[in-house]
Amino acid sequence: QQPVQSPQAVILREGEDAVINCSSSKALYSVHWYRQKHGEAPVFLMILLKGGEQKGHEKISASFNEKKQQSSLYLTASQLSYSGTYFCGTTGPAGGTSYGKLTFGQGTILTVHP
Amino acid sequence: DADVTQTPRNRITKTGKRIMLECSQTKGHDRMYWYRQDPGLGLQLIYYSFDVKDINKGEISDGYSVSRQAQAKFSLSLESAIPNQTALYFCATSDFDGELFFGEGSRLTVL
Repeated sequence: QQPVQSPQAVILREGEDAVINCSSSKALYSVHWYRQKHGEAPVFLMILLKGGEQKGHEKISASFNEKKQQSSLYLTASQLSYSGTYFCGTTGPAGGTSYGKLTFGQGTILTVHP
Repeated sequence: DADVTQTPRNRITKTGKRIMLECSQTKGHDRMYWYRQDPGLGLQLIYYSFDVKDINKGEISDGYSVSRQAQAKFSLSLESAIPNQTALYFCATSDFDGELFFGEGSRLTVL
């Protein structure tokens, strides 16, 4: 079952902040975040693992609440280059049917205007 | 050269034809994936493979089959294409729960 993202779309002016949320009805082992520009392949932003480990770009921050099975991506001081569709992807714990199976949410469209 | 290469990049075919999309990678990863993307529906997992002998169905495997010929190669087949399989298809690779590296995508149109 795919995770649910909110909001579906965000419109910002340069310099404004945004938060994109991702929630799952199942136990999670990891949460991935990717950004996709129109007509291009998704690009990796960050991975958050159960237990607190994070791997990703320095200018992107995110949180992972394991108990609530939720993650949030924080975009601060937005730039025009931040525009695109943001996807979260989730995997389940070892021993479960979702282990190693990265399932994506429906995406959040972020538009940054000058 | 790209780390993950998909061929063909664009294909137009007719209903009922057999189509194969190929993917090769130079990352040395064991895990490979095929995703389908339709507008507004995000990326849907078709099949995934953890190694040459381990292939698993994803969320939307009906109408598709795969072959893992080697660690570096993972092919997706549509045995009898239908119009609602028109979509953008992505191949991806990863190491253990690491970031996914995507190919550039294969745009398939079924008339």
